[in-house]
Amino acid sequence: AQSVTQLDSQVPVFEEAPVELRCNYSSSVSVYLFWYVQYPNQGLQLLLKYLSGSTLVKGINGFEAEFNKSQTSFHLRKPSVHISDTAEYFCAVSPTGNQFYFGTGTSLTVIP
Amino acid sequence: DAGVTQSPTHLIKTRGQHVTLRCSPISGHKSVSWYQQVLGQGPQFIFQYYEKEERGRGNFPDRFSARQFPNYSSELNVNALLLGDSALYLCASIHFGGTETQYFGPGTRLLVL
Repeated sequence: AQSVTQLDSQVPVFEEAPVELRCNYSSSVSVYLFWYVQYPNQGLQLLLKYLSGSTLVKGINGFEAEFNKSQTSFHLRKPSVHISDTAEYFCAVSPTGNQFYFGTGTSLTVIP
Repeated sequence: DAGVTQSPTHLIKTRGQHVTLRCSPISGHKSVSWYQQVLGQGPQFIFQYYEKEERGRGNFPDRFSARQFPNYSSELNVNALLLGDSALYLCASIHFGGTETQYFGPGTRLLVL
C-alpha cells in the first residue's frame, strides 16, 4: 500500500524568502513522484515530476524538488517566493502511473 | 491543444437525486481517472478507465459508477446522493507509454442540499 504525508498543513513565508514544503511517502514498490499546485476554485496543475534519473527535478515557476530514496522523501523548494505562489500544494505518488495517492496538502501563504 | 474539459462547472442537487458528470480527455490520451476532493482534503481516487475498460477502483460505494466512450470521454454517475457527496470532482487524463503524468481538468463542484 502507498501513503503520502505532507508534514505541514500551513506554511506562511515572507515574499522573496525561501520555502520548503515537505513530503514523505510510504510504498513497498518503486513509485513515480509528483507535486501539483491548486489555486482557489481551480483544478490541479502539475509543478514537477520524478520518474527516474537525476534525483533533483526542476519544475515550472522556479520550483524544484529532490528525491531521497533512503528517506522516502520528495521535498519541494523555491529559493525566493512571490505573492502569486500563494496556493495549495499537493504531493502525490503513483506506483504505475495508474492510481495516484495524494497527500492532504500544504497551504502556502506568501506575506508581503 | 485543448486540455481536459469537464461539465458542468457547478451543480446543485438534493439528497436522493442522481447526478452525471462529464469529462473529455486531452486529445490522444486514452485513459481517464476520476477523483473526489472534499473541501480541505487531497483528491481521493474513485475510478480509472483505459480503452473503455475499468482499470482501477477506489474505496467508494456502489452508488458511484463510471464509463468511458469510444471517443475516450467519460461519465461519472452518482446515485442516491448524500450530503457527504458534496465535493469537487476532478477528472484527469493520462498518456500511458509517455510521461505517465495525469493532467487535471478544472473540476465540477457538486453541492448536495
